[in-house]
Amino acid sequence: SQQGEEDPQALSIQEGENATMNCSYKTSINNLQWYRQNSGRGLVHLILIRSNEREKHSGRLRVTLDTSKKSSSLLITASRAADTASYFCATDMNSGYSTLTFGKGTMLLVSP
Amino acid sequence: GAVVSQHPSWVICKSGTSVKIECRSLDFQATTMFWYRQFPKQSLMLMATSNEGSKATYEQGVEKDKFLINHASLTLSTLTVTSAHPEDSSFYICSARGTGVFSPLHFGNGTRLTVT
Repeated sequence: SQQGEEDPQALSIQEGENATMNCSYKTSINNLQWYRQNSGRGLVHLILIRSNEREKHSGRLRVTLDTSKKSSSLLITASRAADTASYFCATDMNSGYSTLTFGKGTMLLVSP
Repeated sequence: GAVVSQHPSWVICKSGTSVKIECRSLDFQATTMFWYRQFPKQSLMLMATSNEGSKATYEQGVEKDKFLINHASLTLSTLTVTSAHPEDSSFYICSARGTGVFSPLHFGNGTRLTVT
């Protein structure tokens, strides 16, 4: 069943601008992950944030998690044309070898 | 980092034939692999969980006789689309969980299946 819902569905920005994507979910989670998918390719893991964390950084990526609102955001700073891709959040209700539930994704287009 | 290799990248087959897709974990052992199906501009839909040495666990609505999964070793899982029909045309992606409690999923590059 669909757990995560990304917002917006699509986003078009200019190079150098920041891109913010949001994800909302319905049930309690152990951790939340963000993945990136280039067109016609598999997904690449970007960042994982645990339920007891509020913010995490990785390079130009900043992820926040608000468990009280059941939402997360992914911020890409100083975007580049190469950041053009679809971005998915995925919720993990249990640690260990449980499956992830993916949202519908946000398509990001960064124009030069 | 962990690499998952999926083969073939794309395949075109005639209706009624069967197609096998391979998913290999190249530098780690994967006791569990996952098979997804993705329609254009849609999210990933989990089809089944492949468990090494035992039967796969299929999601509701997925025909196990249609989508045969075999996980014969710790590094290889295969998905066979049997008697393929045009409606089976889709993008199929496998993934494997790395070791460690908070390990993310590592994905193959997907297989674009077109059934004519």
